[in-house]
Amino acid sequence: QLVLTQSPSASASLGASVKLTCTLSSGHTNYAIAWHQQQPEKGPRYLMNLNSDGSHSKGDGIPDRFSGSSSGAERYLTISSLQSEDEADYYCQTWDTDVVFGGGTKLTVL
Amino acid sequence: EVQLVESGGGLVQSGRSLRLSCTASGFTFGDYAMSWVRQAPGKGLEWLGFIRSKAYGGTTEYAASVKGRFTISRDDSKSIAYLQMNSLKTEDTAVYYCTRAGIAVPGATDCWGQGTLVTVSS
Repeated sequence: QLVLTQSPSASASLGASVKLTCTLSSGHTNYAIAWHQQQPEKGPRYLMNLNSDGSHSKGDGIPDRFSGSSSGAERYLTISSLQSEDEADYYCQTWDTDVVFGGGTKLTVL
Repeated sequence: EVQLVESGGGLVQSGRSLRLSCTASGFTFGDYAMSWVRQAPGKGLEWLGFIRSKAYGGTTEYAASVKGRFTISRDDSKSIAYLQMNSLKTEDTAVYYCTRAGIAVPGATDCWGQGTLVTVSS
């Protein structure tokens, strides 16, 4: 069964970097994913597509501070030079015949 | 600029039907699959289904939770995707988002609408 696992919460200080993780279920470790950001009281926003080899393509207007990488079943979203507006929920998404979202990680910027 | 605008949400009684619309602009609508995602209050994102482009058969796939009750369709001449929701339940209360999916990969979402709230009362 295709499942994405995310930690429920993460925190980091203003100006620092944070690496969020999305883990693909066994048997699906070569899947591509997408990362989405949802700021408080707003709709989701597409950040990037991320392949198993770590190559990624970002959405229009997504700052260079956002980057993606991969290792095995893990897909990462790294946000550098954290700003207050980065405080949000971050969701990963993948697909085959169905589409699956991870449970989301709530990022707090301290 | 790519834009998706949902409409048709509101308050509806349990057991009734509702049709949501998603009006697209800024891209060649007919080339893309379109999908619907919802978010119940305080919860995460739940994929509901997608419709492929005509070039890929225009076929649909649905999440098990809504299969048989929800139907996705499209009118490429108007650049509109629809979500028909029947036999609504209180647990269908959520914000409903339209998303642009991929051309050849219909599961991949790269653009979101602003959402429309559906409230189902008992």
